[in-house]
This record gives sequence, structure tokens and C-alpha cells, in this order.
Amino acid sequence: DAKTTQPPSMDCAEGRAANLPCNHSTISGNEYVYWYRQIHSQGPQYIIHGLKNNETNEMASLIITEDRKSSTLILPHATLRDTAVYYCIVRVYNFNKFYFGSGTKLNVKP
Amino acid sequence: NAGVTQTPKFRILKIGQSMTLQCTQDMNHNYMYWYRQDPGMGLKLIYYSVGAGITDKGEVPNGYNVSRSTTEDFPLRLELAAPSQTSVYFCASSYSQQGASEAFFGQGTRLTVV
Repeated sequence: DAKTTQPPSMDCAEGRAANLPCNHSTISGNEYVYWYRQIHSQGPQYIIHGLKNNETNEMASLIITEDRKSSTLILPHATLRDTAVYYCIVRVYNFNKFYFGSGTKLNVKP
Repeated sequence: NAGVTQTPKFRILKIGQSMTLQCTQDMNHNYMYWYRQDPGMGLKLIYYSVGAGITDKGEVPNGYNVSRSTTEDFPLRLELAAPSQTSVYFCASSYSQQGASEAFFGQGTRLTVV
């Protein structure tokens, strides 16, 4: 699985969009980009995934660059409950293992 | 809908003791995983299983054993507990399917070895 690089922490004002970047410059053509988050010490929660096209669901949007070497997770209207560690993971869609990096600690402030 | 259930939630072990962390899922997922998370760190894969009777090592398997006799259950065994195994342990499951296979996680077992 390709390695990912994320900033260790970011701040965001409540109600504003949170844009979390992820660099995955060694990604292979058959590897998907997944995003998870972990609130406090709970189990990680799936957010969204994508291969080439931008994706949107009820939680977030995922923007993948054309060369697929980086992506951005967008939380359109961050709330205090979105304060968490966000993990960007790349893996072959049907491959067995998820490898987690260090993630980005998002602090949403009032 | 229970999802992934881990027991116990908390446990204190003495050095050299053994224990089994239980994990069960009711989603009929074929893949199951065990991770550990040390304070302030990301999750590290210990073992995983692609189906009943099949297991394989992850990044940090030393000191642990697993078995998968049924689709639902994936217990993690610590034989001789050491302080280095103090951590939070997460079990997860996923279903192998075309296009997506997000993992669902349990709420964790917080283990302290003293």
C-alpha cells in the first residue's frame, strides 16, 4: 500500500469548511483513497473513499487531483463534534489490509 | 444492529498472565482485523483473517495469537503479557466486494499490563 503524508494538526472555525490535505505521491492505479476519523479514543469511523473522481456523501466531499498524487477531504460546515483525528489511507479496493498513518488532528473551535 | 462487539472494555493484567480479547461481528463479513493503538499514535495491524480458518500476520504480530473458527468470531490471545502490550485494541471487519470494502470498528479494549 502507498504511504500517505498528512499534517499533524489543523484548526477550523465552527461553521466554516474544513479542508484536510493528504499526499500519496506513490499511489498505484488500482489503489483507492479512504478517509476515516477517530473521535476521542473510539473506534475509527469510515467517512468516504474514491478512486479517480471526486466523491460526495452526507458527511463529506473527497477531491482527488488529476494525477491522483494528493487528495483533500472537505467537511463543508464543521461543527464541534467534528473534532477528531482524520486518517487518509490508500489501498487496493479488495485487498485485505488497512494501514493507518499518524493522521491529522482537526480542532474545531467555537 | 450490534455491528462489531468487543469484550471486555477494560482489563488490567499482571506481567506474565494470559488473556483472550473477544471480538464478534453480526454483519457476515469475511474479513476481520485486530489493531493496537498506543497513546498518541495511529493504529498498527496485528493480525487479520480473510475467512474462517485463514489468518495472517500484520505489522506487529509478536506476542499475540489468533484463530478464526467461525465467520462471526475472531479472538486475540495474549500468552505472556508484557508492559509493552499496554494499549487500546480494536477489532474490525469488512466485506470483500466490488468497488468498496470499508471496515467497521468495535469500540476497543483498553488493556493495561502492570
